[in-house]
Formats: sequence, C-alpha cells, structure tokens
Amino acid sequence: AQTVTQSQPEMSVQEAETVTLSCTYDTSENNYYLFWYKQPPSRQMILVIRQEAYKQQNATENRFSVNFQKAAKSFSLKISDSQLGDTAMYFCAFMKQNTGTASKLTFGTGTRLQVTL
Amino acid sequence: DTGVSQDPRHKITKRGQNVTFRCDPISEHNRLYWYRQTLGQGPEFLTYFQNEAQLEKSRLLSDRFSAERPKGSFSTLEIQRTEQGDSAMYLCASSPPSYVRTEAFFGQGTRLTVV
Repeated sequence: AQTVTQSQPEMSVQEAETVTLSCTYDTSENNYYLFWYKQPPSRQMILVIRQEAYKQQNATENRFSVNFQKAAKSFSLKISDSQLGDTAMYFCAFMKQNTGTASKLTFGTGTRLQVTL
Repeated sequence: DTGVSQDPRHKITKRGQNVTFRCDPISEHNRLYWYRQTLGQGPEFLTYFQNEAQLEKSRLLSDRFSAERPKGSFSTLEIQRTEQGDSAMYLCASSPPSYVRTEAFFGQGTRLTVV
C-alpha cells in the first residue's frame, strides 16, 4: 500500500514571496504519478501540477514547480510570486500507473497555505 | 458548466435515515470515483466505476454503502441507516480514458451531517 505524508499542517507566506510545501511518499511501485491538488475554501479540488515518475525533469506550470527526488521519495511544491488567490489547502497525491484497475489517488493530509498582504 | 456536478451540496439527516447523493461526471469521462473527506484529512478512496461497471470498492465502504452508475453516465451513492461517523464531505471525480489523460477532475462535493 502507498502512503503520502505532508508534515506541514499550516504555512503562511507574504504576497509575492516564494513558499515550498513538502511531501514524502512510500511505495514499492516503480511506475507512478504524483500530483499536487489545490482545494480553495469553495472546496472544489483543482489540479495544480503533475509529475510522471519516469521523467527526471521536474514539472513546471507557470508559478508552480516541483522538486521530484525519486530515490528519496520526495515531491515538494514551490510556489513563486505568491498571490492571495493561492490561499487554499494543498494536497499531495500518489497514483499507480494504470494497470487496468482503478487509477485511484492516495492523498496526504494536506497543508493549509495562507497568503498574506 | 461542463465540470463535475454533485447534488445536493449539503445534506443534514437524522441518524438511522437513508441518504442518496448524485454525481454527474464530465461527459465522455468513462471513469468515475467516489472519495470521502473528513475534517483535517485528505480524501480517501471509496469506489471506482469504469463505464457502468463497479470495478473496485474500498474496505471503507461498509455494507450500508452502495453505489451505482447506470448506463455509465451519472452515479449515485446511497448510505443506509446513517451513523454519526458517516458525517463527511463526499467527493466525486471523473477521468477520461487513461490513454487520454491521467488526472481526475473533482466536483464540489456533498457535505453530509448526521445528527
């Protein structure tokens, strides 16, 4: 079974600054995907960024980037130029590469990020 | 709006009553998931449908829970004889075939409160 650990329950960052959210995971799988999802106060989960385990290059999406360390089983999210709209709960999630069964997500417990003026 | 739609958004029920939630996935998404999220936790997988077939159920899904996806379109999740421990946010997600995209798209959820 897979586990995902987010050790930072809450974090705060000032607008325009950079913040890094941590995530570690445990798995015996070699092929998998990792995700960061954002859950704003309205509660709809939104995909922020995705990383395929077979890719060595770290994924980036505009102000969001990851630091994927496969050997260390670490997958941190960096948010640059933080904006008030980034205030949300952030979940790290793991998914085994599709083997014909459910491509279900295993989530961490989340990090609540507050962006302040 | 072409996103995942869930109804109702909120449900308050008395212990022992039955409740049913509905999820309308994004059209042409053949995969549909139900998750449960309790306060301070990440979502936990409940069950998975590929088209109309329910292919996987979590051990979290007791016999009081049943889910259907007739004709591979919308899905319903029913909880019979609700208990206070069932109070949670129930999230639905859908995905296209895996060879298209891997990520799931979530609805806004149904918040259940059992009193």
